[in-house]
Amino acid sequence: GAGVSQTPSNKVTEKGKYVELRCDPISGHTALYWYRQSLGQGPEFLIYFQGTGAADDSGLPNDRFFAVRPEGSVSTLKIQRTERGDSAVYLCASSPLGENEQFFGPGTRLTVL
Amino acid sequence: AQSVTQPDIHITVSEGASLELRCNYSYGATPYLFWYVQSPGQGLQLLLKYFSGDTLVQGIKGFEAEFKRSQSSFNLRKPSVHWSDAAEYFCAVGANSGGYQKVTFGTGTKLQVIP
Repeated sequence: GAGVSQTPSNKVTEKGKYVELRCDPISGHTALYWYRQSLGQGPEFLIYFQGTGAADDSGLPNDRFFAVRPEGSVSTLKIQRTERGDSAVYLCASSPLGENEQFFGPGTRLTVL
Repeated sequence: AQSVTQPDIHITVSEGASLELRCNYSYGATPYLFWYVQSPGQGLQLLLKYFSGDTLVQGIKGFEAEFKRSQSSFNLRKPSVHWSDAAEYFCAVGANSGGYQKVTFGTGTKLQVIP
């Protein structure tokens, strides 16, 4: 079956612009996670959704970052007033209810010029 | 809070040689432990995981890892490395938090395989 997909695969934007990154989880997976992976680092947790609600957003670095999952499936990570430090690969993962394994998408590489 | 240390940033091995990637974790209770592999431009793929039971776990692609509570370690091993194993490897520790897994990753070990 289809895995987690993320669009776009690459996004280049200018400092101060707004960007949206999309994640399509595996069908039927109720849990969805966003991570950020900076160069030379491991993924860092940003936010977790169970269904439509953000159960844990403690990893979001500041209020420029926001994520939604309005119908409990597709999720969008939104970054306002982008800064060069936001440049990273943004990874999405999903898992079935009650499962501990997370299935990762290929990521979106964001470059802020 | 949990944490993971991967002390080796970069490792080079010859094809056919054995491999061991080190991982140490910090967590107050019994951890959930994972090893993931990431090839260039690819997402993370789970190699193996440990939750409980037998401390030697087998994974995909011929990898295994051993959980040693006394050493807070979860080292990844492979008896004979193939050129296709060249990738970056991440150890991770998960903690159940309100019914879900909050996973913390290490900084990764980049594996180079030479002919």
